[in-house]
Amino acid sequence: KAGVTQTPRYLIKTRGQQVTLSCSPISGHRSVSWYQQTPGQGLQFLFEYFSETQRNKGNFPGRFSGRQFSNSRSEMNVSTLELGDSALYLCASSYRSRSPLETSGELFFGEGSRLTVL
Amino acid sequence: GESVGLHLPTLSVQEGDNSIINCAYSNSASDYFIWYKQESGKGPQFIIDIRSNMDKRQGQRVTVLLNKTVKHLSLQIAATQPGDSAVYFCAENNNFGNEKLTFGTGTRLTIIP
Repeated sequence: KAGVTQTPRYLIKTRGQQVTLSCSPISGHRSVSWYQQTPGQGLQFLFEYFSETQRNKGNFPGRFSGRQFSNSRSEMNVSTLELGDSALYLCASSYRSRSPLETSGELFFGEGSRLTVL
Repeated sequence: GESVGLHLPTLSVQEGDNSIINCAYSNSASDYFIWYKQESGKGPQFIIDIRSNMDKRQGQRVTVLLNKTVKHLSLQIAATQPGDSAVYFCAENNNFGNEKLTFGTGTRLTIIP
């Protein structure tokens, strides 16, 4: 079974630009969540999508947005990039159903997209 | 707000010895705890989890202990191997099945050959 795939793996942008990152979850996983990882703040939750609906959102400005498609693939977008947005952006998928009894708490992470803002 | 903290940012252990990584959390409502391992250049990898109705759970060479009274979590790795060298994170949430995890700051474990 293929793991979580994130593209691109590395990218460099300049301040003010926008960026879109893509995530393909493990087949059969309908929940996708995004995390930002920086040396200073560690791993911080951005948002989570399930069945194309955003279910949870972290404490990030509105410049950070995301969406999920009907095939469970997800994208996140950061507009008007700032130097502080330089980070590793991690996507994680999980098997999640509407029944808590069928839900696994395990998140499977991709290898991340490393964004550098100059 | 919620916070999860690890006691030591770095830990060095002789190969073959046991290691213990500790974590403290502040949210009394937390009911699900997970340990992740992150190797250089990779995303976090699930190691073991525990729900708040348990105080101990064992996996292959790993044991997680949960003390809700003092809001403390630990990961024990038995007979450490070079491949155990990584950064270890504890994470928690207050709603099992909710993917909004709060992560600790991480402990870098180095196995000395």
